[in-house]
Amino acid sequence: DAKTTQPTSMDCAEGRAANLPCNHSTISGNEYVYWYRQIHSQGPQYIIHGLKNNETNEMASLIITEDRKSSTLILPHATLRDTAVYYCIVTLSDKLIFGTGTRLQVFP
Amino acid sequence: DAGVIQSPRHEVTEMGQEVTLRCKPISGHNSLFWYRQTMMRGLELLIYFNNNVPIDDSGMPEDRFSAKMPNASFSTLKIQPSEPRDSAVYFCASGDFGTFSRDGNQPQHFGDGTRLSIL
Repeated sequence: DAKTTQPTSMDCAEGRAANLPCNHSTISGNEYVYWYRQIHSQGPQYIIHGLKNNETNEMASLIITEDRKSSTLILPHATLRDTAVYYCIVTLSDKLIFGTGTRLQVFP
Repeated sequence: DAGVIQSPRHEVTEMGQEVTLRCKPISGHNSLFWYRQTMMRGLELLIYFNNNVPIDDSGMPEDRFSAKMPNASFSTLKIQPSEPRDSAVYFCASGDFGTFSRDGNQPQHFGDGTRLSIL
């Protein structure tokens, strides 16, 4: 599975869009990009995933660059409850290998 | 719809004791995963099952750890004998996986974890 690089931490004002970047320059053609988040002391929660095209669901949008070497998770209107660690994972298989993620702090 | 259920939520025991963690996956899911999370090592995959069969146990730290899935609705992770360094939060997750579809694998659903402290 390709390695991912994420910033250690980010801040975002409540109500603003949170844009979380992920670098996966060694991604292979069939590998998907997954995003999970972990709110303090809870189990990780699935957010979204994609292959090539941009994806949107009720939680977030996923923008994948044309060369697929990086992606951005967008929370359009961040709330205090979005404060969490966000993990970007690239995989072809059932296995998820979690890195250190980005700690997003949403402030009032 | 019930999610992944883990028990106990908290366990405190003395070094050398046997510890058994339990997991009930979401009904209908055919894959089950055990993870361990510590401050030092983050979230690590220990083992996963597909259709009750262990597929990859390369993350199991040592022989003191064992996992079983006797049926589709139950799995255990056992540590015998336990050591203080086994203290961690252990998560179970389940998923509905099969032939890799063009939409990618379905997401994993995690339980709330078992917080284990070995004194």
